[in-house]
Amino acid sequence: GQNIDQPTEMTATEGAIVQINCTYQTSGFNGLFWYQQHAGEAPTFLSYNVLDGLEEKGRFSSFLSRSKGYSYLLLKELQMKDSASYLCAVFSGGYNKLIFGAGTRLAVHP
Amino acid sequence: EAQVTQNPRYLITVTGKKLTVTCSQNMNHEYMSWYRQDPGLGLRQIYYSMNVEVTDKGDVPEGYKVSRKEKRNFPLILESPSPNQTSLYFCASSLSWTGFNQPQHFGDGTRLSIL
Repeated sequence: GQNIDQPTEMTATEGAIVQINCTYQTSGFNGLFWYQQHAGEAPTFLSYNVLDGLEEKGRFSSFLSRSKGYSYLLLKELQMKDSASYLCAVFSGGYNKLIFGAGTRLAVHP
Repeated sequence: EAQVTQNPRYLITVTGKKLTVTCSQNMNHEYMSWYRQDPGLGLRQIYYSMNVEVTDKGDVPEGYKVSRKEKRNFPLILESPSPNQTSLYFCASSLSWTGFNQPQHFGDGTRLSIL
């Protein structure tokens, strides 16, 4: 089967670091994407991993372990505007489609 | 400006009245897709298209139709809408269908309410 799991909700404090985990089981693997989605808005692309390891982009980093079917998104120096849902998605080469997890709603508090 | 444009943004209609949600992209993308988003369920794919005249079912295609007569347009058709199709709909596109380093670009969404 195809399955992507991530925590439903997380809270964190402004200025802190938070790690959002994602585990997946899919048929064929053409890469893992992280998207940010503010309430009522469209998802926007954050990062892409296809090889094992860490990809860093400013305050955001994403890690992938293909053998473990595991990824995480690391957000540093949290700001209030980072309060949003974070969607983990895997492109399944076997099915030619992007499979999304249900998303993790992050609330950043002062 | 590179974008995916959906219309309408909001629609309230009644059961059984045919409707079409349009989607257009100006990036010459091959791959286009329709998703619906419901609370607690995340984004679920309805239909996708790998290129002109090539469409295929996603995870939840029942009650929907699509067409891809031109590369830029990918309309979603609800022939006889029912209340369980009340949802937030997103159209998305990417350069190719392989997925490799091809992030999908999303439209602003269409909030559909069917009474």
